[in-house]
Amino acid sequence: GQNIDQPTEMTATEGAIVQINCTYQTSGFNGLFWYQQHAGEAPTFLSYNVLDGLEEKGRFSSFLSRSKGYSYLLLKELQMKDSASYLCAVNTNAGKSTFGDGTTLTVKP
Amino acid sequence: GAGVSQTPSNKVTEKGKYVELRCDPISGHTALYWYRQSLGQGPEFLIYFQGTGAADDSGLPNDRFFAVRPEGSVSTLKIQRTERGDSAVYLCASSFEGNTEAFFGQGTRLTVV
Repeated sequence: GQNIDQPTEMTATEGAIVQINCTYQTSGFNGLFWYQQHAGEAPTFLSYNVLDGLEEKGRFSSFLSRSKGYSYLLLKELQMKDSASYLCAVNTNAGKSTFGDGTTLTVKP
Repeated sequence: GAGVSQTPSNKVTEKGKYVELRCDPISGHTALYWYRQSLGQGPEFLIYFQGTGAADDSGLPNDRFFAVRPEGSVSTLKIQRTERGDSAVYLCASSFEGNTEAFFGQGTRLTVV
């Protein structure tokens, strides 16, 4: 079966840095997505890692280690609007992606 | 259109009834996906279309669920004999190819009473 684990909740302070971890055990692996989802809204794409290493995109960075089945999303200079659920998803077979249950991040002033 | 459009945004139906949920993907996107999401959980894969054909329908929970995409654009998810356990937000997404960034619609919130 497919197993994707991420913490349920995290809290951080405005202006700080937070790292959201994701570990996975899947029967296939093409790449790993991170999506952001605000309450009551659709998920929006943040990043897609296919190869090992760190990819930086503005305040957000994503890291992948395929040998360890591990990824993290790093958010810098946190803003109040970053309060949302962050979803880790593994693309296991062509168009099929398996999602974790998401990490709810609360940013406090 | 500018984004993925799903209709209706909300649907309340009685147990045992038939429902259809519509998805209008971004123009030019060949890949289309259906997911469903329950509160506090991540999206659960249902089916993936590449063009007109269902490339992977392994996520459909049982034979009450069926989806079509006859012209390779608009898709309809059909649920027969609805059950209370079918209540969820049904999300549609589209992308240029099968393993690239997917753009999600706002979803249809289905409530079976």
